[in-house]
Amino acid sequence: GAGVSQSPSNKVTEKGKDVELRCDPISGHTALYWYRQSLGQGLEFLIYFQGNSAPDKSGLPSDRFSAERTGGSVSTLTIQRTQQEDSAVYLCASSLRALFNTGELFFGEGSRLTVL
Amino acid sequence: AQTVTQSQPEMSVQEAETVTLSCTYDTSESNYYLFWYKQPPSRQMILVIRQEAYKQQNATENRFSVNFQKAAKSFSLKISDSQLGDTAMYFCAGGGTASKLTFGTGTRLQVTL
Repeated sequence: GAGVSQSPSNKVTEKGKDVELRCDPISGHTALYWYRQSLGQGLEFLIYFQGNSAPDKSGLPSDRFSAERTGGSVSTLTIQRTQQEDSAVYLCASSLRALFNTGELFFGEGSRLTVL
Repeated sequence: AQTVTQSQPEMSVQEAETVTLSCTYDTSESNYYLFWYKQPPSRQMILVIRQEAYKQQNATENRFSVNFQKAAKSFSLKISDSQLGDTAMYFCAGGGTASKLTFGTGTRLQVTL
């Protein structure tokens, strides 16, 4: 596609439910990133994919969070047993190259998650 | 960069005026890159300007320019001739050989008539 696409745009769920957030990066971009943006906060790094592998998942806040990427393209971020503190905007970004090669990040519009 | 600090939560500027947003960072790396991203109400982050640390010349993109002070670890963004469309959150970010960008907490800029 022309840009990074994320779905759903907004998700309201009840505490304890599982949610899946999807990211479709720009075609040909090998690097994919997930960030979390909480109200009044900056962007918190969650996980980085290079192709289908995740060499850096240091930002995942707990084992309730997991992510996968298939076919070097679409990625899914899964949050199990959601808690109210998981409420945030989840941003996905892709890059033609890994950041240490100065690749520019292209962001999607994010998925706003609200846990009641 | 390992830490990025933006000390101005909000700023306001009148249309056509100039405004400077501040950013400081800390890193132990010798090769790194600094960025300013803009996030309008639509939520989509857009790259405004990029600076490679090894370049002494300050980056410029039309009305946007940076003042990169490497010794002071300062990286401010100057917006000249401010326009209503510049109203947004602005994030300073840094990255090096690590795989990720580290972002500051952002500055909310309001451009007024």
